[in-house]
Amino acid sequence: NAGVTQTPKFQVLKTGQSMTLQCAQDMNHEYMSWYRQDPGMGLRLIHYSVGAGITDQGEVPNGYNVSRSTTEDFPLRLLSAAPSQTSVYFCASTDGDRRNTEAFFGQGTRLTVV
Amino acid sequence: GQQLNQSPQSMFIQEGEDVSMNCTSSSIFNTWLWYKQDPGEGPVLLIALYKAGELTSNGRLTAQFGITRKDSFLNISASIPSDVGIYFCAGQKEMLEYGNKLVFGAGTILRVKS
Repeated sequence: NAGVTQTPKFQVLKTGQSMTLQCAQDMNHEYMSWYRQDPGMGLRLIHYSVGAGITDQGEVPNGYNVSRSTTEDFPLRLLSAAPSQTSVYFCASTDGDRRNTEAFFGQGTRLTVV
Repeated sequence: GQQLNQSPQSMFIQEGEDVSMNCTSSSIFNTWLWYKQDPGEGPVLLIALYKAGELTSNGRLTAQFGITRKDSFLNISASIPSDVGIYFCAGQKEMLEYGNKLVFGAGTILRVKS
């Protein structure tokens, strides 16, 4: 049972480059989210999705795009990387049952922008 | 910006000691969650609280949902070396968000006293 899988685990980008962080879940969860983790700031919500074809912005969406063409996948795109986007990125999924708010997290992608 | 104030920022534990940490907010939350993050991993849910005043235990861990819905605490009794890591509180404001949009505290880092 893989749960939430993120790729790559590590990435170094040059300023201005674009890339896509992949996230896939095999639990048939409706809800998926992207967070970034920075020292002393906890995790902050970037974008989220409540189902295939539906996405919305979180607390820190600028510089990132998402799409949700399938239930399983929720890629995060950096359009033009900036040093301020150096962070650890976590993808999470939740089954959407109101009795269960547990979010399952992937192992994270550590991104450095130079 | 950060809506949950988590304290302490860090603490040193000696095996066998009890540990306490808390989160406060100026806003009301309908769900409080406590996560633990080990190095190189994503956060893992420890305890979920859904009702004001609720007191829930999970082994040596006990957490409470404050009666005002603006705070929560986590206690760890008789700490052991594997308790080290980063502990996050997380809140969910809206009843319909089902773990999809979490607001995180900055984290409490637990280290072992040498």
